[in-house]
Amino acid sequence: EVQLVESGGGLVQPGGSLRLSCAASGFTLSNYWMAWVRLAPGKGLEWVANINKAGTEKNYIDPVKGRFTISRDNAKNSVYLQMNSLRAEDTAVYYCVRDVSPSQSTRYYDAFDIWGPGTMVTVSS
Amino acid sequence: AIQMTQSPSSLSASVGDRVTITCRASQGVRDDLGWYQQRPGKAPKLLIYAASTLQSGVPSRFSGSGSGTDFTLTISSLQPEDFATYYCLQDYNYPRTFGQGTKVEIK
Repeated sequence: EVQLVESGGGLVQPGGSLRLSCAASGFTLSNYWMAWVRLAPGKGLEWVANINKAGTEKNYIDPVKGRFTISRDNAKNSVYLQMNSLRAEDTAVYYCVRDVSPSQSTRYYDAFDIWGPGTMVTVSS
Repeated sequence: AIQMTQSPSSLSASVGDRVTITCRASQGVRDDLGWYQQRPGKAPKLLIYAASTLQSGVPSRFSGSGSGTDFTLTISSLQPEDFATYYCLQDYNYPRTFGQGTKVEIK
């Protein structure tokens, strides 16, 4: 079965750190771009970061630049999100997402076809 | 960052109704747009990518259209399992940005 499972969430004080992990199974991780998306309480979905197949290209939203780092280990079928200097506004369910990147007429699109169940991160004192 | 604005923010509809949700981008995004459905307590689900391409396994009552700045998600005949929140997402440039969501509720 193709699936993603996140782990590593929890309660952390402001300024603290967490490392989220995403375990992939049922497919070859190295064939896909991967991303993290979050859902804060009472708010909408927010794209956080993505990483290319080899781990050499990474993109982030501005509020997390310099604090979060996305990485991957294709040999371990895992994707990670290192979160430092956490703030209350980082409180959210974090989803690991597979991007199937379909192509049409030589162009590529994002298409997040597989999502993990999510892991809750709460930043509070 | 490109701002994506959905309308309405919420709507009430009955089973069998035709429902239309719109998404407007603050600048042109060609057809680099997807639609996602999220039921309460569940992970989002991909419905449409490239503005109008239906994801495999998604019922044909869902359709998408548009290009540039204006996009539409249509549900031709609302079913009980379609009551959820719907989001558009532009993948034209970074950072990717979602609309604020449209909650479809039972009338």
